[in-house]
Amino acid sequence: SQQGEEDPQALSIQEGENATMNCSYKTSINNLQWYRQNSGRGLVHLILIRSNEREKHSGRLRVTLDTSKKSSSLLITASRAADTASYFCATNAGGTSYGKLTFGQGTILTVHP
Amino acid sequence: SAVISQKPSRDICQRGTSLTIQCQVDSQVTMMFWYRQQPGQSLTLIATANQGSEATYESGFVIDKFPISRPNLTFSTLTVSNMSPEDSSIYLCSVVLAGGRSQQFFGPGTRLTVL
Repeated sequence: SQQGEEDPQALSIQEGENATMNCSYKTSINNLQWYRQNSGRGLVHLILIRSNEREKHSGRLRVTLDTSKKSSSLLITASRAADTASYFCATNAGGTSYGKLTFGQGTILTVHP
Repeated sequence: SAVISQKPSRDICQRGTSLTIQCQVDSQVTMMFWYRQQPGQSLTLIATANQGSEATYESGFVIDKFPISRPNLTFSTLTVSNMSPEDSSIYLCSVVLAGGRSQQFFGPGTRLTVL
C-alpha cells in the first residue's frame, strides 16, 4: 500500500521563487529518499536522509525530516524552469524490508519562466 | 551512481501476448527491484529480484503474471505475461549499489502499451 502522502499535489510558481513540497508517512522508517521524474521517464535520485538526521542539503535542495511527526519536506530554492517535474518521496522501513521503497503520490511542480 | 539500462524503452503489444523487459547495470549491486507506475500514478513495488533464486513478490503480484529472473548480480528480466490493457504502465528496475549508502537508483523505465 502507498504509505506516503504528499502535498501539495500540484504546485505552480515563477522562476526564482522557492518551492516547498511535503511528505508524510505512517510507519517507522530507516531512511527517506526524494526523487525527481521528468515527463514519465526514469527517476533521478535527489537526496537520502536517514532517520537519525534532521536536515540535509545538496546544492539548491534542502530536505528536513521530523520523525516525531512522520513528515519530511523538500525545499528547492531559486527555482528554474528546468526544475519542472514530478517529485516523489519514498520511505524504507529497514529490517526485513531493507531496500523496499514505499512511494508517496508525488507533487507536480511547474516553474514558469 | 551507476548506469542502468532497460530494454526495450517502449513497446506496444497486443492483448494476450507477453513481453520480457531486461535490466542491466554497469556496477556491482546488492539488491535489484522491479516497480510499476500506472498512468498518472506513483510507483508500486512488484518484487525483489533475488540472484539465482525465485523473486520475492509483494502483495497483489504473482509469479505466473510477472516471472522474474536474475541470473547474475547485474542483470535481471521481468516478463509481463498474458497482457491486458490494464498492464499498460511504465516498468522500472532499481538497484542498491554494493558499498552504497542505501541510495536506490532507477533505470530509465520501459513504457508498455497494451491494445
